[in-house]
Amino acid sequence: GENVEQHPSTLSVQEGDSAVIKCTYSDSASNYFPWYKQELGKGPQLIIDIRSNVGEKKDQRIAVTLNKTAKHFSLHITETQPEDSAVYFCAARYTNAGKSTFGDGTTLTVKP
Amino acid sequence: DGGITQSPKYLFRKEGQNVTLSCEQNLNHDAMYWYRQDPGQGLRLIYYSQIVNDFQKGDIAEGYSVSREKKESFPLTVTSAQKNPTAFYLCASSPSWAGTQYFGPGTRLLVL
Repeated sequence: GENVEQHPSTLSVQEGDSAVIKCTYSDSASNYFPWYKQELGKGPQLIIDIRSNVGEKKDQRIAVTLNKTAKHFSLHITETQPEDSAVYFCAARYTNAGKSTFGDGTTLTVKP
Repeated sequence: DGGITQSPKYLFRKEGQNVTLSCEQNLNHDAMYWYRQDPGQGLRLIYYSQIVNDFQKGDIAEGYSVSREKKESFPLTVTSAQKNPTAFYLCASSPSWAGTQYFGPGTRLLVL
């Protein structure tokens, strides 16, 4: 089955700096890669996703890049703000399989 | 408001007791999922359902049961056979089997 590794497990940055979270996956058939943000005590919220026919996708301060050859994808947050502090999860899925495999999460702390 | 609702927010279970967690969605989504989240870990799939009256075991189904009698509802029962039920339980739904998953707010289950 699919295996997703996420790094780092914790990340602390100064407000205004950039943050990068990386995930690797094992199943080359995976073709859909969402990122979720989870605030304390709440359910994860989808913040951005990318499909395997695209190398990069951007939405304001958030971007995701995908390297299919190396089987890794990354979340980039620019101009970080304290409200970006949360746990971020990556996931990988082969759409016909339906199930997603999640990374273990990255706790991002943005210091004012 | 459209969305996914989970109730209760907190649930307490006594030894040997079965408890049922509710998940309802009014998004007209076909697929629904249950995940378990333990501290510092990612999301692990318990059960999932592609369509009404059909469901499949996920990676950690032992000690849990589900039903899908209505499209909008996917209740999860934590049975007495689940020896370590303390966790945060998340329900999700997606428009189709291959669609993006959206999460509910979660239910925290504690054992007395």
